[in-house]
Amino acid sequence: DTEVTQTPKHLVMGMTNKKSLKCEQHMGHRAMYWYKQKAKKPPELMFVYSYEKLSINESVPSRFSPECPNSSLLNLHLHALQPEDSALYLCASSQEPSGYEQYFGPGTRLTVT
Amino acid sequence: GEDVEQSLFLSVREGDSSVINCTYTDSSSTYLYWYKQEPGAGLQLLTYIFSNMDMKQDQRLTVLLNKKDKHLSLRIADTQTGDSAIYFCAEEGSGNTGKLIFGQGTTLQVKP
Repeated sequence: DTEVTQTPKHLVMGMTNKKSLKCEQHMGHRAMYWYKQKAKKPPELMFVYSYEKLSINESVPSRFSPECPNSSLLNLHLHALQPEDSALYLCASSQEPSGYEQYFGPGTRLTVT
Repeated sequence: GEDVEQSLFLSVREGDSSVINCTYTDSSSTYLYWYKQEPGAGLQLLTYIFSNMDMKQDQRLTVLLNKKDKHLSLRIADTQTGDSAIYFCAEEGSGNTGKLIFGQGTTLQVKP
């Protein structure tokens, strides 16, 4: 089983709202990732968690706040977003942080109004 | 810096073979990946190849790697309409960070 699940599937939020995206995997993977993907573009890495610790932040604005409560869960907390943050947010996981294939979830389609 | 390039569009007839090409710049890449993305969906890992291999075959998929030219290709035999999607090649960036460097993606259109 190589399944990564994400909720919600779709999210519409105003610029003053606070919301969270959730990601879960039960493959025992020790690395988890958040990517942002705009239409017709490749995914762009946002954050990497390695063994539940934040190892990479790709200069992401502070209105995006990641959290890894345990080895199976990854959250992305959203606050005071801008319309240009509307995108598909993808979660991925891999057995280890390097040298292993990454498995992606179906994504959350976020619209900021 | 690290860069991955792909042609943007490929159109084939159902039943033909499709070949999607990719070039990369980081010669230290250990693994190279092919992902498929259907409209509105996440990325599906299709296959990957270790850098010390020249070729990998998996059912209808054949991956060829030319390390000297830093060229990677994905051949899909007997292409079906269900193969219509965007195909991304990716390499793992240097520094053992797990960061994937993606190409821009090739849109494969399969005509019946």
